[in-house]
Amino acid sequence: EPEVTQTPSHQVTQMGQEVILRCVPISNHLYFYWYRQILGQKVEFLVSFYNNEISEKSEIFDDQFSVERPDGSNFTLKIRSTKLEDSAMYFCASRETSGSYEQYFGPGTRLTVT
Amino acid sequence: LAKTTQPISMDSYEGQEVNITCSHNNIATNDYITWYQQFPSQGPRFIIQGYKTKVTNEVASLFIPADRKSSTLSLPRVSLSDTAVYYCLVGGYSGNTPLVFGKGTRLSVIA
Repeated sequence: EPEVTQTPSHQVTQMGQEVILRCVPISNHLYFYWYRQILGQKVEFLVSFYNNEISEKSEIFDDQFSVERPDGSNFTLKIRSTKLEDSAMYFCASRETSGSYEQYFGPGTRLTVT
Repeated sequence: LAKTTQPISMDSYEGQEVNITCSHNNIATNDYITWYQQFPSQGPRFIIQGYKTKVTNEVASLFIPADRKSSTLSLPRVSLSDTAVYYCLVGGYSGNTPLVFGKGTRLSVIA
């Protein structure tokens, strides 16, 4: 069964450093998302991406965040200058078409900012 | 998006049927009801989706009354591996709608 993959599984970085989280969505999917989950809290939407541009973003997704689909397979989330409060699990998800509400989530990247 | 309310936690013994009810009084005409499951340190996983009446798949059943103001996820004969957080989500199909997760219901299955 096809699946969404994410790398790395765990990233430790110092405050102020830039990090790039990588995702490979399912190959025939057209919609891509990033969510995050701070330990013990809800899964929160960050950004959605379709047709090589951002479709929607939440208040969390400020100027420190950016997304990119640099080639036909990868989907990346960049945090330019990490803060302690960026520590969380970051999940990438993809969806096949607009006619389905089912999103497929990756295993997540645990980001720890020290 | 319609606000959802579900129990914070539930306990069940192995082999029992578990029913988790979700209230969504403000559901819109074009909204669907979707349930996701999340194991610790994993991403959420789609379980089932429905619009009205009953939907069944190999994992669960979803019961939706005629007024659609609530729904019930039914897990038959749970096992220890069903211990997870279960989320009820209500929203439309169209466009690039992001999922809005609540706090979910933490189901603990006991041997």
